Amino acid sequence: GNSVTQMEGPVTLSEEAFLTINCTYTATGYPSLFWYVQYPGEGLQLLLKATKADDKGSNKGFEATYRKETTSFHLEKGSVQVSDSAVYFCALGGKSGGSNYKLTFGKGTLLTVNP
Amino acid sequence: DAGVTQSPTHLIKTRGQQVTLRCSPKSGHDTVSWYQQALGQGPQFIFQYYEEEERQRGNFPDRFSGHQFPNYSSELNVNALLLGDSALYLCASSLVLTAAYEQYFGPGTRLTVT
Repeated sequence: GNSVTQMEGPVTLSEEAFLTINCTYTATGYPSLFWYVQYPGEGLQLLLKATKADDKGSNKGFEATYRKETTSFHLEKGSVQVSDSAVYFCALGGKSGGSNYKLTFGKGTLLTVNP
Repeated sequence: DAGVTQSPTHLIKTRGQQVTLRCSPKSGHDTVSWYQQALGQGPQFIFQYYEEEERQRGNFPDRFSGHQFPNYSSELNVNALLLGDSALYLCASSLVLTAAYEQYFGPGTRLTVT
């Protein structure tokens, strides 16, 4: 079945540092890939998405590229801010030619950015 | 444009009781999914409703049931509550015709079973 593996956290960075959170996946077909962010005490917000190989999703300075050859979708940001402190989830989903409509999530990576 | 809304925000129940959680999807969406998020974990898929029918179900017992109404809103019911059912319950809505099939989440209902 489908699965997502994220780098273990927590990740602690200083403001303006470079961020990478690794994500690899196992899936049948051609899923869409997503990054969601969860701020303390809140639900999940869609951060960015990519629907096919070599697509780059981007939003609020975050980027991730759908790499089919390495089955990866790593999240990057060039300069993090204190306000980026949150839990980040990598997820896959989509119709992918079958009847699988659910999102499959990684375990999440806690990011803390210090001033 | 109203996003996904859920009620109640918090709920405390006793073992063996039953609970009903409610969700209204984002305007224009026709599909509702429910997820359970245990503390420190990623969300786990419970089931999805489309056209008032359960379209897919995750690995949850029959104690978990749901319903979708003609206005696309949805309910999640859990019977015979166990301590292990304590979690954040997230509702997500989507549009079946969207190619990327992204889902938009509500703020969740925090259920505590004592």
